Amino acid sequence: GIQVEQSPPDLILQEGANSTLRCNFSDSVNNLQWFHQNPWGQLINLFYIPSGTKQNGGLSATTVATERYSLLYISSSQTTDSGVYFCAGSNSNSGYALNFGKGTSLLVTP
Amino acid sequence: NAGVTQTPKFQVLKTGQSMTLQCAQDMNHNSMYWYRQDPGMGLRLIYYSASEGTTDKGEVPNGYNVSRLNKREFSLRLESAAPSQTSVYFCASRQQFSGNTIYFGEGSWLTVV
Repeated sequence: GIQVEQSPPDLILQEGANSTLRCNFSDSVNNLQWFHQNPWGQLINLFYIPSGTKQNGGLSATTVATERYSLLYISSSQTTDSGVYFCAGSNSNSGYALNFGKGTSLLVTP
Repeated sequence: NAGVTQTPKFQVLKTGQSMTLQCAQDMNHNSMYWYRQDPGMGLRLIYYSASEGTTDKGEVPNGYNVSRLNKREFSLRLESAAPSQTSVYFCASRQQFSGNTIYFGEGSWLTVV
């Protein structure tokens, strides 16, 4: 199946700081999504972004499909941004079932 | 506006016991999935059903069986629970093929002692 590598594995930010999370894929994907898992375990869709750039509030994502990676930008971080960020991808070879990375654990401190 | 509903939310089993996790979605999605999440491992696919009447193994299917009961419901069964199956289980659904967002249930916390 598709191998997904996320970096960094852990991140601590002071409130207001910016950061970039990265996701690399071992194969081409035509479905790529970013998720946020809050401290209560709930998985929330952030972006469906197989290519291009999207923005949602203080978050934006860019996928360079030809180079098999995606970036998630967190700007002006808030304590509510804390949690684990996952990227996941799929293609026809995986039956369109999403393969997940191990996540980036983010803590934003006041 | 329920989305994906899983039951039970919490369960403690003894080794060797059996149980079924239930999942239902009300979004008329074709595809449904069962994942497990262990610390530091991300989410790993157990089984999926691309459409009603079909099921396929994922990355970690051993020790599990599934049933796609109808378009709405996709259950996961542990026939003889083992401590290694202690995990958080997530059901998910989406429309078939690549262009659609996946939606997750709230998770089922299972402990096998």
